[in-house]
Amino acid sequence: AQSVTQLDSQVPVFEEAPVELRCNYSSSVSVYLFWYVQYPNQGLQLLLKYLSGSTLVKGINGFEAEFNKSQTSFHLRKPSVHISDTAEYFCAVSWPGRNQGGKLIFGQGTELSVKP
Amino acid sequence: GAVVSQHPSWVICKSGTSVKIECRSLDFQATTMFWYRQFPKQSLMLMATSNEGSKATYEQGVEKDKFLINHASLTLSTLTVTSAHPEDSSFYICSANTGRGGWNTQYFGPGTRLTVL
Repeated sequence: AQSVTQLDSQVPVFEEAPVELRCNYSSSVSVYLFWYVQYPNQGLQLLLKYLSGSTLVKGINGFEAEFNKSQTSFHLRKPSVHISDTAEYFCAVSWPGRNQGGKLIFGQGTELSVKP
Repeated sequence: GAVVSQHPSWVICKSGTSVKIECRSLDFQATTMFWYRQFPKQSLMLMATSNEGSKATYEQGVEKDKFLINHASLTLSTLTVTSAHPEDSSFYICSANTGRGGWNTQYFGPGTRLTVL
């Protein structure tokens, strides 16, 4: 079975500082990996995804993530955060195969709080 | 592109009544839609997978008779919470699989806040 673990439930950081949100997954098959952001009382917005190819993935809003197969990780990074990055971030995994229809399994979420 | 809407955005109802939530893909056809439930400060839990023209596939522990899902067209899926009770109060989010940008790409609706009194 597939599972996702986000190691930090809360990450406080000062504005313009770098940040890393950690995500590890467990799967017996090849996976697709995603990071989503959720602002209060809103749905989820896709930040970036890894399907195949280059292990360094660049997304929107200056975020990037690196797929590390040996460590089964997909950590999200941003070199300099803004107040507007304050939100909940979810790592998610999916896997190939038409029978599963694109089902996503989410991590527990990490609350990023950017302070001035 | 790839916009998903939900209606209503919030609803308050009395215990014992039924509530219908609509999920629409506005600019694409979605063969598969998903329904999630999210409690405060928690992650999204997949409730069911909805395929157009067929019965929904429910996740383990989700009551089929309580959460009725209908996917009547390629742009509309509905979730009906029947005989709602206070414990059904939650944030319900739908998503749609576009098949574009990799067929696993899902786009999410803005969510519906259900409060059962």
